[in-house]
Amino acid sequence: GQNIDQPTEMTATEGAIVQINCTYQTSGFNGLFWYQQHAGEAPTFLSYNVLDGLEEKGRFSSFLSRSKGYSYLLLKELQMKDSASYLCAVRSPTGTASKLTFGTGTRLQVTL
Amino acid sequence: DVKVTQSSRYLVKRTGEKVFLECVQDMDHENMFWYRQDPGLGLRLIYFSYDVKMKEKGDIPEGYSVSREKKERFSLILESASTNQTSMYLCASRGGHRASDTQYFGPGTRLTVL
Repeated sequence: GQNIDQPTEMTATEGAIVQINCTYQTSGFNGLFWYQQHAGEAPTFLSYNVLDGLEEKGRFSSFLSRSKGYSYLLLKELQMKDSASYLCAVRSPTGTASKLTFGTGTRLQVTL
Repeated sequence: DVKVTQSSRYLVKRTGEKVFLECVQDMDHENMFWYRQDPGLGLRLIYFSYDVKMKEKGDIPEGYSVSREKKERFSLILESASTNQTSMYLCASRGGHRASDTQYFGPGTRLTVL
């Protein structure tokens, strides 16, 4: 089965750093994605990790530890526009196609 | 830019009606997906298709069917809508076969069944 856990809500201050955690237990692993979703909009791709370690992309970084079934998304120099939901998703191979299983998402509120 | 469009942003239907949700992508992607998104439950996969006329059940296919007659179009069908199908429906597409290939999402259709 698939189980992906993220905190439901987080609050952080503009200019600060926030870390959003994701733990997973899945049958088969073929990479982990992070998506950003603003209220009323479609999710958009942020990052992909398949090997252990940190991937940095501007203000956003994503970390993966496959042995621990753990990932985090790190947002630096927070801006008000970063207020959104952040979705963790694991890709698992399944037959002729692979699919994503999503966590329930973490709603981040950035305050002044 | 990849573009995934959905036929309606908002839809209101009555219980028992047959409902069609249409999704079109313009990037010649092989894989297409239908999800529903509900508060506290996240995105859940209903059906997906990896080729024309091919379909596979996702995690919650009950009450739904799909059709993929052309590569660019993937339709979700609610044969007899029920109130528990009130939700946000998101379509996505993905090209290629690499594990790193991301999905691109449409803007969503918020369906209300009365």
